[in-house]
Amino acid sequence: EAQVTQNPRYLITVTGKKLTVTCSQNMNHEYMSWYRQDPGLGLRQIYYSMNVEVTDKGDVPEGYKVSRKEKRNFPLILESPSPNQTSLYFCASGERDSYEQYFGPGTRLTVT
Amino acid sequence: GDSVTQMEGPVTLSEEAFLTINCTYTATGYPSLFWYVQYPGEGLQLLLKATKADDKGSNKGFEATYRKETTSFHLEKGSVQVSDSAVYFCALSAGSTLTFGKGTMLLVSP
Repeated sequence: EAQVTQNPRYLITVTGKKLTVTCSQNMNHEYMSWYRQDPGLGLRQIYYSMNVEVTDKGDVPEGYKVSRKEKRNFPLILESPSPNQTSLYFCASGERDSYEQYFGPGTRLTVT
Repeated sequence: GDSVTQMEGPVTLSEEAFLTINCTYTATGYPSLFWYVQYPGEGLQLLLKATKADDKGSNKGFEATYRKETTSFHLEKGSVQVSDSAVYFCALSAGSTLTFGKGTMLLVSP
């Protein structure tokens, strides 16, 4: 089944404790992206990647890191999480030239 | 920069009512336009798309027409069902990324 998977689905952590949210897709898509969803703000893009070893900042990259060492994986790293990063995070992938995106189920992160 | 504006929700309708969710955009060039739907507890799914002016996207009884002259891409459905209750996002792509509107929640009651 074609899908985007994210882990974990739910995470509660404390300020400053490094964490990684994994994202994997099995559709051989070149394009992958991370978004955060907050009430009243919709979806905002954090980082995206057009291909392996190529990443670019989105609209709200501060406090986040990403890497793209393999085509299928695009982990999101929070080196020192803060409460304002409490949010619902979505990973997405797509074919490079179509711009349609397939979304994962989301990761709800709470930072206390 | 590119932007998408959607009507604020929630939109509350009775089953079988007609639905319109307004969406307008600002973009340089000729973007592709999309409607995504998010059911409770799930990620976003592509509902329909249009890639050029006057194209009509349609799926599951929903449709939207790309209107370049009014920079709009309004979502319509002739008869909504309770199962259509979800959040709907209008989006555009004019380069390497998608720009989303803030989303409109639709609540359909029996």
